Amino acid sequence: EDQVTQSPEALRLQEGESSSLNCSYTVSGLRGLFWYRQDPGKGPEFLFTLYSAGEEKEKERLKATLTKKESFLHITAPKPEDSATYLCAVNTGFQKLVFGTGTRLLVSP
Amino acid sequence: NAGVTQTPKFQVLKTGQSMTLQCAQDMNHNSMYWYRQDPGMGLRLIYYSASEGTTDKGEVPNGYNVSRLNKREFSLRLESAAPSQTSVYFCASGLVNNEKLFFGSGTQLSVL
Repeated sequence: EDQVTQSPEALRLQEGESSSLNCSYTVSGLRGLFWYRQDPGKGPEFLFTLYSAGEEKEKERLKATLTKKESFLHITAPKPEDSATYLCAVNTGFQKLVFGTGTRLLVSP
Repeated sequence: NAGVTQTPKFQVLKTGQSMTLQCAQDMNHNSMYWYRQDPGMGLRLIYYSASEGTTDKGEVPNGYNVSRLNKREFSLRLESAAPSQTSVYFCASGLVNNEKLFFGSGTQLSVL
């Protein structure tokens, strides 16, 4: 069974304190790994897509990396506005997107 | 620049009542999706429509029906609501198979 596990469930950081979120997956065939950001009361917002091991994508203070078993979302010098839930999802086939339960990030000033 | 619009934002139903959640996108996307999000669980796919005129079941379709009215609109119907259907429902759209989905702001549904 395809599974996506995110850790930690929740993370509290001080402003400027860099850290990483983890997304590990066991799937029959990876056709893309996605990161989304979700603010309270809103729908997920697309951040990145990664397709192959070794690939990296960056956007402002966020960098996503991919290995054969997991993906990391690195947050460098976070700001309070980076507080959100970060969701990982994997595409395992036609119209099959499996989501993790997310990491709730809180960045304090 | 609306993107994906869902209505209503909030709804309270009694067990056995029916309702339709509406979704419309203005990005000319072929694919549209309905997900539900429950605490401690990831987003789960209820139904999807890969293109206008087609619909298919996702992971948790029981108790729901959908209609792809045209390329823009994809509705989700609960024929006889149950407390287990209390959830937040999200509509999403995308150009091709699961690439970069755009989500609506959600409908918070409570079934008493």
